[in-house]
Amino acid sequence: RKEVEQDPGPFNVPEGATVAFNCTYSNSASQSFFWYRQDCRKEPKLLMSVYSSGNEDGRFTAQLNRASQYISLLIRDSKLSDSATYLCVVHSYSSASKIIFGSGTRLSIRP
Amino acid sequence: DAGVTQSPTHLIKTRGQQVTLRCSPISGHKSVSWYQQVLGQGPQFIFQYYEKEERGRGNFPDRFSARQFPNYSSELNVNALLLGDSALYLCASSLSGQGSNQPQHFGDGTRLSIL
Repeated sequence: RKEVEQDPGPFNVPEGATVAFNCTYSNSASQSFFWYRQDCRKEPKLLMSVYSSGNEDGRFTAQLNRASQYISLLIRDSKLSDSATYLCVVHSYSSASKIIFGSGTRLSIRP
Repeated sequence: DAGVTQSPTHLIKTRGQQVTLRCSPISGHKSVSWYQQVLGQGPQFIFQYYEKEERGRGNFPDRFSARQFPNYSSELNVNALLLGDSALYLCASSLSGQGSNQPQHFGDGTRLSIL
């Protein structure tokens, strides 16, 4: 089983739709969580950190469920420019630092 | 302010050769991490350095090594290159390292091709 798992998609949704992704992780000692977006042949860019209480940034909402060991990303009123691959990231740092990326979920927004 | 800078941007090597990739973090960032990304996959963690010490290591063979310099820049070395080492190598910096929840900021990457 992979340490961090994401549905690879692709998700193909119309502009204006709401779309949600989940990401599950296996290491219960994981302590920090992030969502990044990556455009084709570009570097990953931080979208948002994920906090235990959940957090929102404009049209984007991130949630963390430690009991079930998953994080989620909700995108409301999707725009064409939201088309990208979304990567979840889990940091664990007990005796050593470990940073695990999911394989990414591809999102395509159609007009 | 400059972001994370990596050099070179592209590199072509042959099997068995050695390569050194370079990374300069964002000013004020003390932690640098290296990743390997192949097409269709997320970045795979190779190393994290903080204050010139290795703080984390992924599941890569000993052919991969790295170091961090007093100015917090870093080099990734790969020896005895294999065809499977062809990938995008990403460097990321963050304010601090182990024990923090600081997000990482990525450079544009070095695209390494092995012939």
